[in-house]
Amino acid sequence: AQSVTQPDIHITVSEGASLELRCNYSYGATPYLFWYVQSPGQGLQLLLKYFSGDTLVQGIKGFEAEFKRSQSSFNLRKPSVHWSDAAEYFCSGAGNNRKLIWGLGTSLAVNP
Amino acid sequence: NAGVTQTPKFQVLKTGQSMTLQCAQDMNHEYMSWYRQDPGMGLRLIHYSVGAGITDQGEVPNGYNVSRSTTEDFPLRLLSAAPSQTSVYFCASSTQTGVEQYFGPGTRLTVT
Repeated sequence: AQSVTQPDIHITVSEGASLELRCNYSYGATPYLFWYVQSPGQGLQLLLKYFSGDTLVQGIKGFEAEFKRSQSSFNLRKPSVHWSDAAEYFCSGAGNNRKLIWGLGTSLAVNP
Repeated sequence: NAGVTQTPKFQVLKTGQSMTLQCAQDMNHEYMSWYRQDPGMGLRLIHYSVGAGITDQGEVPNGYNVSRSTTEDFPLRLLSAAPSQTSVYFCASSTQTGVEQYFGPGTRLTVT
């Protein structure tokens, strides 16, 4: 069955440290993949997306993600985290049937 | 360009009451959807629409009704509110199914 898994429910990092949020998918073919961010009390905002082509995708707010077919992963990275990055992060994907599947989210806390 | 708007932002209902959550988008998107977000459960799709006059059920449709008379509007009706419907509700739109979605700011609903 198609699935999107975010293995980490909660992550805490120090401001200025690097960040990697994990996302694993289970699809037969190359899926469309997305990362969204949700700040407290807000709706979700698209950070970046992958459809095909270059496996390293640049997004907004200094984020990037790398599609690794061999590992069925689409991890989100940022080289230096800012306190304003504290939020909930969601990974989602769509396969050939174009049905979006959502991960359960990773809550990011940033220590000053 | 307002994007996706939702009203109200907050609502308290008593069990058995009915109400309509409003959603509108000004991006001429064909695809619109309603999600509910509950702690630890991520986003769950309630209903969606692929165009005016066409709606379909998502994974948690019971207790909710939708209609799509125009491209812009996609209201969600709670027929007889129950405490289990206490949640945050998000409306989203996109050009088509399975691609990046644009979210509204959400409606926080409490049913007592």
